[in-house]
Amino acid sequence: AQSVTQPDIHITVSEGASLELRCNYSYGATPYLFWYVQSPGQGLQLLLKYFSGDTLVQGIKGFEAEFKRSQSSFNLRKPSVHWSDAAEYFCAVGAGDYKLSFGAGTTVTVRA
Amino acid sequence: DAGVIQSPRHEVTEMGQEVTLRCKPISGHNSLFWYRQTMMRGLELLIYFNNNVPIDDSGMPEDRFSAKMPNASFSTLKIQPSEPRDSAVYFCASTPPEGETQYFGPGTRLLVL
Repeated sequence: AQSVTQPDIHITVSEGASLELRCNYSYGATPYLFWYVQSPGQGLQLLLKYFSGDTLVQGIKGFEAEFKRSQSSFNLRKPSVHWSDAAEYFCAVGAGDYKLSFGAGTTVTVRA
Repeated sequence: DAGVIQSPRHEVTEMGQEVTLRCKPISGHNSLFWYRQTMMRGLELLIYFNNNVPIDDSGMPEDRFSAKMPNASFSTLKIQPSEPRDSAVYFCASTPPEGETQYFGPGTRLLVL
């Protein structure tokens, strides 16, 4: 079965600074990879996904993620963070069936 | 597109009462998922429907929980009787045919006193 690790529980970043959230997965074949964002009191919104092809994926809100098979990673990045990016971010991995395994989440705090 | 719709958004009830959560998936989607989110356990899949048929209910905590999908546009998750440990955020999500991406609703925040 697949699994996901998000090593950072909480990250604080200054507005305008860059952000990188780490995600490591465990799965034997090529996984389906997702990043979701959850703002306080809200549901999960899909930021981006990787199924195949170009390993650098562009998403909404200026986010991108890079799939690195050799490192079993799918890290999320944003060059310049806005205060509205304060939220919880979830990485998820799927095996092509219906199940998604979610990481524990990383909470991002943005300071002025 | 209205997205996945869940109701109610908030529910406060007393222990022992019946609770019914509702979900309307995105039109045209044929898979539906119920999740529970807590601080301790994160996001847990409770049950998965495909074409209105329950495929995997291994995540349903116990017999107090039941879920139905009478048609392609409506599903319910019922807790009877409710207990304080059921307090959580319950999410519904749906996927299109032959699609892998799950689209989540806003969730129902349940508090059982």
